[in-house]
Amino acid sequence: GAVVSQHPSWVICKSGTSVKIECRSLDFQATTMFWYRQFPKQSLMLMATSNEGSKATYEQGVEKDKFLINHASLTLSTLTVTSAHPEDSSFYICSASGGRLGGLNTEAFFGQGTRLTVV
Amino acid sequence: DAKTTQPTSMDCAEGRAANLPCNHSTISGNEYVYWYRQIHSQGPQYIIHGLKNNETNEMASLIITEDRKSSTLILPHATLRDTAVYYCIVGNAGGTSYGKLTFGQGTILTVHP
Repeated sequence: GAVVSQHPSWVICKSGTSVKIECRSLDFQATTMFWYRQFPKQSLMLMATSNEGSKATYEQGVEKDKFLINHASLTLSTLTVTSAHPEDSSFYICSASGGRLGGLNTEAFFGQGTRLTVV
Repeated sequence: DAKTTQPTSMDCAEGRAANLPCNHSTISGNEYVYWYRQIHSQGPQYIIHGLKNNETNEMASLIITEDRKSSTLILPHATLRDTAVYYCIVGNAGGTSYGKLTFGQGTILTVHP
């Protein structure tokens, strides 16, 4: 399957600081990327949908000013958690979908996730 | 997107086939059935997907009933490394929903020696 790389794999930050997470599609152009959050023993919850060159669409209850999403190119999307607090500690996962090698895939591929711990 | 129903957990002996069921009785005509799995502390891994016909790849087989209201994921020879949470997801492959997945609670599959 296609490769989606997420960086960093884990990060610890102090309360009040901002953290940036990168999501890259390595072997295909991702017209759309998605950001999910997963708390312990829970399922993935979609936070936002990101389309290259346009503003992200946020799910209900997700603060767009706190979770800044940028999709500057067809291979890179970033999620910045601003003014992080301990309750933002979670597992953040991105996924990407789009054309590959001239074809169009209907499945999405996921990054390995980023474990954020705010202390 | 249509909702899916999966058993909370299942067990399987190593080397045997694991058959994971999924009900999606409200699926609409243009919605696909996707299967992903998540091993602890990793991102979900794509397994297989289908629309109407049965599908097979190097990882698994997907059997979709004729009325499309349910499906079964088959891991033909389960190994210990197949222990994971398996998600059955119904989604629209086109338009603004392209690639957008709504995760339920999934099935915790435990493969034991």
